[in-house]
Amino acid sequence: EVQLVESGGGLVQPGGSLRLSCVASRFFFSNYAMSWVRQAPGKGLQWVSTISGSGGSTYYADSVKGRFTISRDNSKNTLYVQMNSLRAEDTAVYYCAKDYGTSGWYLFDRWGQGTPVTVSS
Amino acid sequence: DIVLTQSPGTLSLSPGERATLSCRASQSVSNNFLAWYQQNPGQAPRLLLYGASSRATGIPDRFSGSGSGTDFTLTISRLEPEDFAVYYCQQYAGSPLTFGGGTKVEIK
Repeated sequence: EVQLVESGGGLVQPGGSLRLSCVASRFFFSNYAMSWVRQAPGKGLQWVSTISGSGGSTYYADSVKGRFTISRDNSKNTLYVQMNSLRAEDTAVYYCAKDYGTSGWYLFDRWGQGTPVTVSS
Repeated sequence: DIVLTQSPGTLSLSPGERATLSCRASQSVSNNFLAWYQQNPGQAPRLLLYGASSRATGIPDRFSGSGSGTDFTLTISRLEPEDFAVYYCQQYAGSPLTFGGGTKVEIK
């Protein structure tokens, strides 16, 4: 069964940086777009960023554009997001999510367990 | 941006009852690129439906979806204990990808 395991979350001060990772297994990682979706405490889901299977195309929510960078290493089956200039409103559980199909559907059929990020002084 | 508004915010029902959840879009969702997810407390979301009405792999047939354009509905024909959860709709017709605010289905 598909497995997605996130890591790298934690407590960081406002203005700080953090890099999240998501290791994927049991599917052809490079065939699928991957995304980060976050959920603030007690709130709903918010799409953050998506990267194509090859890594050649990236997309961002306006709220993180210029601060977050999504990337992937297909040789390591790993997805990343580098988060800079973090703000209190970035506090959330961050999920990595696999795209439903190989043609860039941009809906999510498998999710990791999430890694929490807290931005606070 | 396509804004998705889900209603009601909370639905209080008993096991065995029928649940009807609404998702309304601020503009037409092309190709009915509308998905539904279920989320239980402390867990990741699970894909239920895509294309407004197609069930994802392993999803029981008591879950069904309908609608087109700006109005979509998720129906759970007979609620099982494990169905009491929060449900989200998501449009994938355009960027940015957006989710509705969620409907909580709770035990009455």
